[in-house]
Amino acid sequence: QKEVEQNSGPLSVPEGAIASLNCTYSDRGSQSFFWYRQYSGKSPELIMSIYSNGDKEDGRFTAQLNKASQYVSLLIRDSQPSDSATYLCAVKETENAGNMLTFGGGTRLMVKP
Amino acid sequence: DVKVTQSSRYLVKRTGEKVFLECVQDMDHENMFWYRQDPGLGLRLIYFSYDVKMKEKGDIPEGYSVSREKKERFSLILESASTNQTSMYLCASSQGLSIYGYTFGSGTRLTVV
Repeated sequence: QKEVEQNSGPLSVPEGAIASLNCTYSDRGSQSFFWYRQYSGKSPELIMSIYSNGDKEDGRFTAQLNKASQYVSLLIRDSQPSDSATYLCAVKETENAGNMLTFGGGTRLMVKP
Repeated sequence: DVKVTQSSRYLVKRTGEKVFLECVQDMDHENMFWYRQDPGLGLRLIYFSYDVKMKEKGDIPEGYSVSREKKERFSLILESASTNQTSMYLCASSQGLSIYGYTFGSGTRLTVV
C-alpha cells in the first residue's frame, strides 16, 4: 500500500525560528506534492505545491523536494504563533486517475511566543 | 475565488436517522471527494466521483452512500446514523487530471447521539 509518512509531533519552535516539517512517500513515481495547513476545527488549506526537485519559495514558506530520496519538506521562516497548526503532506501518485491525493497523518506545529 | 460549500457547519442527529451532507462547488471541477477526519486517524476517504452519476468506493465506504446527479453537487448519505459516525466530514474537489491539489469545503462536524 502506498504511504505518506509524517512525524505527528508536536513540533515546538520559538517565535522567529525556522520550523522544518518533513514528509516521506513510498511511490517512487509520484509527480505532484502539496502542503496543507489545518487550524484546529477548520478544514485544510493549500499553502504550497511543488512538482520538480529543488526548492520553491513563497514568502516565509519554502518547499523542498528530493525525488531520489522520496522526501519532501516544508520550511517556515520567522515562525509566528499564527503558524501553529497541523500541516498535512499530500502526494499525487502516478497510477491514479482523477487527481487522487494520498495524505500523511499531519505534523502538529506549535510556535511559542 | 473558487469555492466548495458544505451545507452545514454543525449537525446533531439521532441514532438511526438518515443523514444527508451536501457539498457544492462552483469551479466546474470533475472530481469530488468525501473524507472523514478523526483525531489520530487522519483523513480517510469515504467515496469519490470523477463524473456525474459516477461513484467509486474509498477506504471506508461501509455505512455510507453518495449521489452525484449534477456536476457541481456531491452528496454523502448516512443510511442509518450510528454513534461511530460522529466525526468531521470534509468535501473536496479538484480539476480533471490537472496537477493541482484539492480545494476543501469548510467541513461539517456531525454528532450522532
